[in-house]
Amino acid sequence: NAGVTQTPKFQVLKTGQSMTLQCAQDMNHNSMYWYRQDPGMGLRLIYYSASEGTTDKGEVPNGYNVSRLNKREFSLRLESAAPSQTSVYFCASSSRLAGGRETQYFGPGTRLLVL
Amino acid sequence: GQQVMQIPQYQHVQEGEDFTTYCNSSTTLSNIQWYKQRPGGHPVFLIQLVKSGEVKKQKRLTFQFGEAKKNSSLHITATQTTDVGTYFCAGLTTDSWGKLQFGAGTQVVVTP
Repeated sequence: NAGVTQTPKFQVLKTGQSMTLQCAQDMNHNSMYWYRQDPGMGLRLIYYSASEGTTDKGEVPNGYNVSRLNKREFSLRLESAAPSQTSVYFCASSSRLAGGRETQYFGPGTRLLVL
Repeated sequence: GQQVMQIPQYQHVQEGEDFTTYCNSSTTLSNIQWYKQRPGGHPVFLIQLVKSGEVKKQKRLTFQFGEAKKNSSLHITATQTTDVGTYFCAGLTTDSWGKLQFGAGTQVVVTP
């Protein structure tokens, strides 16, 4: 099992350009998440998808859109990149177990620089 | 909204020493999770605590969930260079299904 995969690993964009970050998981998890990580701020949730066909905003959704293409794939789109979106982006997936227990599995991350 | 605060932000430890990192939530949590992120890597799940007052051990790591389920701690004994990384706590409330609230993390540097 590959777990959670993300592409690309690195990306440099100019202000105003658009791009889509791809994420896929092969663990048959229902839930998927997009986080951004900035120095000293931990992980902040951008969007999440509780199940195929549903998406919802997290803590910092402005400037982003998502698509839950199917159970495996969850993409994050920046329509018009801004320097403030320079960050490391992590995708994660999870499946809820009995007793409310669940673990999030993270992908390797995408390092994005917006000039 | 829910806030999870983590202290200290940085921890310099001599190899062989013990240290503790603390996590405090502004609201009661249904469970708390701990993750470790090595430099340049991604967060990796360590453990999940669900019960009030729960204590779990993983080799040299001891995790505790407070009686009021609003705080947690991670204690590492006899620190090794392999313990280098950032340790995050992340809390869930009963009405935030799946939406973990991460603390800012404790970055641990180990001096040989």
